[in-house]
Order: sequence, then C-alpha cells, then structure tokens
Amino acid sequence: AQSVAQPEDQVNVAEGNPLTVKCTYSVSGNPYLFWYVQYPNRGLQFLLKYITGDNLVKGSYGFEAEFNKSQTSFHLKKPSALVSDSALYFCALGGTDKLIFGTGTRLQVFP
Amino acid sequence: GAVVSQHPSWVICKSGTSVKIECRSLDFQATTMFWYRQFPKQSLMLMATSNEGSKATYEQGVEKDKFLINHASLTLSTLTVTSAHPEDSSFYICSAERGQDNSPLHFGNGTRLTVT
Repeated sequence: AQSVAQPEDQVNVAEGNPLTVKCTYSVSGNPYLFWYVQYPNRGLQFLLKYITGDNLVKGSYGFEAEFNKSQTSFHLKKPSALVSDSALYFCALGGTDKLIFGTGTRLQVFP
Repeated sequence: GAVVSQHPSWVICKSGTSVKIECRSLDFQATTMFWYRQFPKQSLMLMATSNEGSKATYEQGVEKDKFLINHASLTLSTLTVTSAHPEDSSFYICSAERGQDNSPLHFGNGTRLTVT
C-alpha cells in the first residue's frame, strides 16, 4: 500500500539556521512527491514537486527538497530559516487518482 | 497563476440547517475537484472527489447524503452540509486539478464551519 509519513509533529529552529522537515514514503513504482505549506486558516500552497530528473528539487520561497530513493525520503530543506516560514508543512504522495497527505509538521522559527 | 476561490471563508449556522460551500476555479477548467476536511492540528482528510457532469466519488465513511456534492460546470463545485450538527464543525478545503495527472493541486483558502 502507498503511504507517506512525516515523523515529526513539530520542528523548532532559530532564525538564520538551516531547517529540515522530514518525509518518507512507501510506493510500488516511481513516486510523485510534493510539498505544500499551510498558513493559519488558509488552504494549502504548493512549494515544490519531484516527478523525475534531478534529485535536488528547488521550489518557492527558497525551499528545496532532496529525493533519496535508497532511503525512500523526500526531506524539505532551507539553508536559512525565516520567522515567516513558521507554518504547517505537508508532504504528499501522488501517482494514483488522489493525493495522499502526510500528517503534517508544524515548523516554528524563533527570532 | 491558477487560482481557486472558496466561499464563504467562514460560516456559523444553527443545528439542523444546511450550509452550501462553493469552490471555483477562476482561470482554468477543472474536471476534477477534491473536498477535504481538516480537524484541529490534524492532516487533511479527503472526503470526496467531485467529477464534472457525473456523481462524486466518496471516501469510505463519508455520508454522501449528508455531504452533497454538485459539480455542474467545469469551474464550480459545491459542497452542501445538510442538517448540520455541532460535530460537523470543521475546516473544509477544496482543491482543483489543472491539466495533467500529477500536476500540483490548487487549493481554496478553506471554509471554517461552526454549527451551534
């Protein structure tokens, strides 16, 4: 069965430090992976996706994600966190008729 | 870029009444739209897939007679919560698929429903 997991409910990081939000997946065949961000009382905004090609994917607002097939991971990263990056982040797995979302990770960036 | 508009952004209704939520794709045609429900501090739960011109496909455990979905045009899907009860209070979000499979979904800003 296909699944996606975000092992951390919350990630805390100081402003200016690098951040990582973890995501792992399980799928038979090639994965289609996405990251979305949700601000309070808002819908989700697309950040980036991996379909094929380079393992390092660059997205919006300076975020990037690294696809690692051997570790079945697609961690979201940013070299220098901003307070305004504080939000709820969702990893999602596509490739079927519907998107499967992880449980979300709340990122808190402290000034 | 593509925009999905969801209306209303919040609504308060009395128990037993019905509430309609609209989801519009503003600059593209969406043959498929999705309706999600999100509980506090939880992930999105897919309720149903709305298909233009045909019946919606409901996820297991979602009452189709309670959550009526209509996708009458390529730019509009509606979710009607019928005979609402306090336990229906939640954040409802729609999304639309533009273009090919595995293209990113575009989400509305959600509707906060409170049933008193």
